[in-house]
Amino acid sequence: GAVVSQHPSWVICKSGTSVKIECRSLDFQATTMFWYRQFPKQSLMLMATSNEGSKATYEQGVEKDKFLINHASLTLSTLTVTSAHPEDSSFYICSATEGEVSPLHFGNGTRLTVT
Amino acid sequence: GQNIDQPTEMTATEGAIVQINCTYQTSGFNGLFWYQQHAGEAPTFLSYNVLDGLEEKGRFSSFLSRSKGYSYLLLKELQMKDSASYLCASLDSNYQLIWGAGTKLIIKP
Repeated sequence: GAVVSQHPSWVICKSGTSVKIECRSLDFQATTMFWYRQFPKQSLMLMATSNEGSKATYEQGVEKDKFLINHASLTLSTLTVTSAHPEDSSFYICSATEGEVSPLHFGNGTRLTVT
Repeated sequence: GQNIDQPTEMTATEGAIVQINCTYQTSGFNGLFWYQQHAGEAPTFLSYNVLDGLEEKGRFSSFLSRSKGYSYLLLKELQMKDSASYLCASLDSNYQLIWGAGTKLIIKP
């Protein structure tokens, strides 16, 4: 089945630093990847939709200059949390799909803790 | 507006059957997904329905009624490992997924 690899699984960083999270589709081409954030005991919140070769589409309230998304190829999208603050601590999950009505396949998520 | 409703929490007994309901109101409809999410982990795909009726996959089945805007996930022969949150998501006319808040299922011995 379709596999999405997300790295790193967890990261601890100091306030003010930047963190990059990678999302790769291993056995299929993903023209679209999605980035979600999930706080404890809350539902998934879509942050942005990433399209290969074009700018990401951000959801309302998500700062595009803080959460930089690059979708450089059909198998790789990256999310960079710039100048991280403790309130950015969360579970970040990427997902990818082979097509519009295909299931979303999720990466294993990245638990970010900003100290 | 777009809305997905599902119960916040359900409790069931090991070995029993449980049905998790989901109602949806979205701008257009291109299918209904169910995902399972264990605490601290990413969601995993369970099922996709776009036509009315029941889809069976082992112990899990999913049902859809498009005219009623209603779906359910049926879990049989419950096991302790089925304790998780179950997320219902509707694909709207723009092929955007609209997510429910999830149903936390607690399995008791």
